[in-house]
Amino acid sequence: QVQLVESGGDLVKPGGSLRLSCAASGFTFSDHYMIWIRQAPGKGLEWVSYISGGGGAIYYADSVKGRFTISRDNAKNSLYLQMNSLRADDTAVYYCATLHYYGSRDWGQGTLVTVSS
Amino acid sequence: QSALTQPPSASGAPGQSVTISCTGTSSDVGGYDYVSWYQQSSDKAPKLMIYEVSKRPSGVPDRFSGSKSGNTASLTVSGLQADDEADYYCSSYAGSGNLVFGGGTKLTVL
Repeated sequence: QVQLVESGGDLVKPGGSLRLSCAASGFTFSDHYMIWIRQAPGKGLEWVSYISGGGGAIYYADSVKGRFTISRDNAKNSLYLQMNSLRADDTAVYYCATLHYYGSRDWGQGTLVTVSS
Repeated sequence: QSALTQPPSASGAPGQSVTISCTGTSSDVGGYDYVSWYQQSSDKAPKLMIYEVSKRPSGVPDRFSGSKSGNTASLTVSGLQADDEADYYCSSYAGSGNLVFGGGTKLTVL
């Protein structure tokens, strides 16, 4: 069955950097768009970035554009999110998920990123 | 990109039906048939309930249905059950690669 496992969440100071990973299994990873979605504590869902199966199409929410970089390694069935210049309002649980016709069917359990001094 | 508008709360008794609205604009909900609905129970990852306005992923009961009229999409839950109590979020494609979510609706089963 489909499994998505995020890792890399941590406590980081404002202005710092962090790299999240998402290990995928149970499906043909390279065939699927993948997305990062985050949820601040007690708040709603916010899309962050998504990438096509081959990596040639990439999109970012305005809130992270220029600071975050999404990438994937299809040989390793892995998705990444490099986060730089982190701010307090980036504090959230970050989920990776598959993306199919702009709906996310399969989700990981999430990884918590806390940005605080 | 402004968030889609959802009522903060909705409720219904077991067995009843409840409808949750999701209002956007002609640039998102009204402009594309890419509206999705998610159910999120406390401290869990969201679960896709509806995609492309009205399609159900395998395993989602047909008690859950989606529709759209103009700039407003709706999720209807029929035959309410206790474990339907959760937060529900809508999302839509908004053009130029953008997505947008609603603020969420807390559904209470009375």
